[in-house]
Amino acid sequence: AQSVTQLDSHVSVSEGTPVLLRCNYSSSYSPSLFWYVQHPNKGLQLLLKYTSAATLVKGINGFEAEFKKSETSFHLTKPSAHMSDAAEYFCVVSRPFSGGYNKLIFGAGTRLAVHP
Amino acid sequence: DGGITQSPKYLFRKEGQNVTLSCEQNLNHDAMYWYRQDPGQGLRLIYYSQIVNDFQKGDIAEGYSVSREKKESFPLTVTSAQKNPTAFYLCASSIPGQGRNEQFFGPGTRLTVL
Repeated sequence: AQSVTQLDSHVSVSEGTPVLLRCNYSSSYSPSLFWYVQHPNKGLQLLLKYTSAATLVKGINGFEAEFKKSETSFHLTKPSAHMSDAAEYFCVVSRPFSGGYNKLIFGAGTRLAVHP
Repeated sequence: DGGITQSPKYLFRKEGQNVTLSCEQNLNHDAMYWYRQDPGQGLRLIYYSQIVNDFQKGDIAEGYSVSREKKESFPLTVTSAQKNPTAFYLCASSIPGQGRNEQFFGPGTRLTVL
């Protein structure tokens, strides 16, 4: 069965410092993994996705994530936080089902606060 | 611009009333989904539909109903049988592709039961 654990419910950083949001997954398949971002009272926006190509995935707004199979991790990083990065971030694992579609299994989310 | 629209943005309902949330997409996606989001939790799947006139229960379908009469539209009805309907509801869509494609999300509807 697929599952995902986000290791921190809240992360607080200063503007200009690095961001690390941690995610561990469990999957009986070769997984597809995603990071989504949600600003308050908004929908979810895809930051990046891993689909068995390069293990280091670059996304939008300077974010990237590294797939580490041996550690079953998919941590999200950014070298320098910006105030606009303050939001909730979801790590997601995909489970394929019939017809070429997939079911998304969400972590509980990590709320990122960025201080001046 | 292509995208997913949800209406209304905020919805208030009295206990015992049914209410319908709208979801429309012009992305020409075959599959559509409804999720529920509660504070401090990830999204949970309510219903999904892969093609017109067909839909399947997700993980928390009790107290909800859907229809899929058009490819573009996937309305969700929250019935009076739903014991705790106050939540943020998100609609999504996707296309098939080896089971690895992302889902695209609408802006959400916040439902409050008074």
